[in-house]
Amino acid sequence: NAGVTQTPKFQVLKTGQSMTLQCAQDMNHNSMYWYRQDPGMGLRLIYYSASEGTTDKGEVPNGYNVSRLNKREFSLRLESAAPSQTSVYFCASSDERTVTHNEQFFGPGTRLTVL
Amino acid sequence: AQTVTQSQPEMSVQEAETVTLSCTYDTSESDYYLFWYKQPPSRQMILVIRQEAYKQQNATENRFSVNFQKAAKSFSLKISDSQLGDAAMYFCAYRIYQGAQKLVFGQGTRLTINP
Repeated sequence: NAGVTQTPKFQVLKTGQSMTLQCAQDMNHNSMYWYRQDPGMGLRLIYYSASEGTTDKGEVPNGYNVSRLNKREFSLRLESAAPSQTSVYFCASSDERTVTHNEQFFGPGTRLTVL
Repeated sequence: AQTVTQSQPEMSVQEAETVTLSCTYDTSESDYYLFWYKQPPSRQMILVIRQEAYKQQNATENRFSVNFQKAAKSFSLKISDSQLGDAAMYFCAYRIYQGAQKLVFGQGTRLTINP
């Protein structure tokens, strides 16, 4: 039981390049989330998926797209990376049907640098 | 929109002493959850304690307890008998009671434990 996994752990991009951050959870959770964490700030929600087949914008969605590939996987894509997207990205999952319905489980994060 | 404010960017405490971290929030909702998350240098987000707004009793988890003042929209975290392993960033977070579990985070407080 790995919980929430993210790949890669580190990535350096040049401005204008594209990439996809991968996230998977093995807890059979319905909901999944992508956050970014900038220095001196808390996590901010980029996109979320309340259930398989649905996605919605969070607080800071501009410059990103997401795909809920199946119940386990939720990817975040940067089509044309910008230096302002340099951040640490966290994926999380939760499920209101379970005894831990209050809790979001977080992955280890991906540190992304855009030059 | 809901906001969460942590007014103490940094705090320090002597090992074995007690420290209180402050958090205030703004919401028009009557039902919601509040959380404290710990982020050690490993970057992993760890849930420390949670509080349901409808419960008058303050939550406790071993050495961690909260002072929840609903009318004042205040949610402070008290750490008793501080240990070196408590050193970390601490984030206060809010989510509405029903619907998508979108978390809104404060800016964080860096806690240092002095031996």
